[in-house]
Amino acid sequence: KQEVTQIPAALSVPEGENLVLNCSFTDSAIYNLQWFRQDPGKGLTSLLLIQSSQREQTSGRLNASLDKSSGRSTLYIAASQPGDSATYLCALEDTGGFKTIFGAGTRLFVKA
Amino acid sequence: EPEVTQTPSHQVTQMGQEVILRCVPISNHLYFYWYRQILGQKVEFLVSFYNNEISEKSEIFDDQFSVERPDGSNFTLKIRSTKLEDSAMYFCASKLVAASTDTQYFGPGTRLTVL
Repeated sequence: KQEVTQIPAALSVPEGENLVLNCSFTDSAIYNLQWFRQDPGKGLTSLLLIQSSQREQTSGRLNASLDKSSGRSTLYIAASQPGDSATYLCALEDTGGFKTIFGAGTRLFVKA
Repeated sequence: EPEVTQTPSHQVTQMGQEVILRCVPISNHLYFYWYRQILGQKVEFLVSFYNNEISEKSEIFDDQFSVERPDGSNFTLKIRSTKLEDSAMYFCASKLVAASTDTQYFGPGTRLTVL
């Protein structure tokens, strides 16, 4: 059974700092891995999607990596801004894309 | 930009009542999903739906739950005989195809409160 763990659970950083969020998973037989952003009381917004065969994806100040052999993914946020404050969720789709398992998230607070 | 919509945004019901949560997926999408998030907890997969049938369901999705695509635009989640522990945020999502390159698009959620 796939288990997804995110560390740290919460993080507070000053504006401008570079930071890394971690996600680990127990079963490497995944379809893809996605990082989502969730604002309080809101839905989920997809940030980056890494296919099983890929090693990383980049979008603006965000870079996500995937190492299936070690069961790990990282989300790197460069030059953090107060607007980046949100909960970041790691999610894995199983083969076929019919089921997605989420981690508990990392709650990020960027201080101005 | 197309988006997934959900109604109502907040539903309050009495324990034992039936509720129907509604979703309008993005119009050309073929795969549909329901998730729930109990306050302060993980987003949990409930069910996926394709070609008018359930593709996958979690152990949470028992006989109390059912899904339906009654017409070409709506996708509904019915919860029968609601319990206090059904109080949660329910998210609908849709996806164009099942390819590993394709992301799911989430609606804003329906907050269900069971009293």
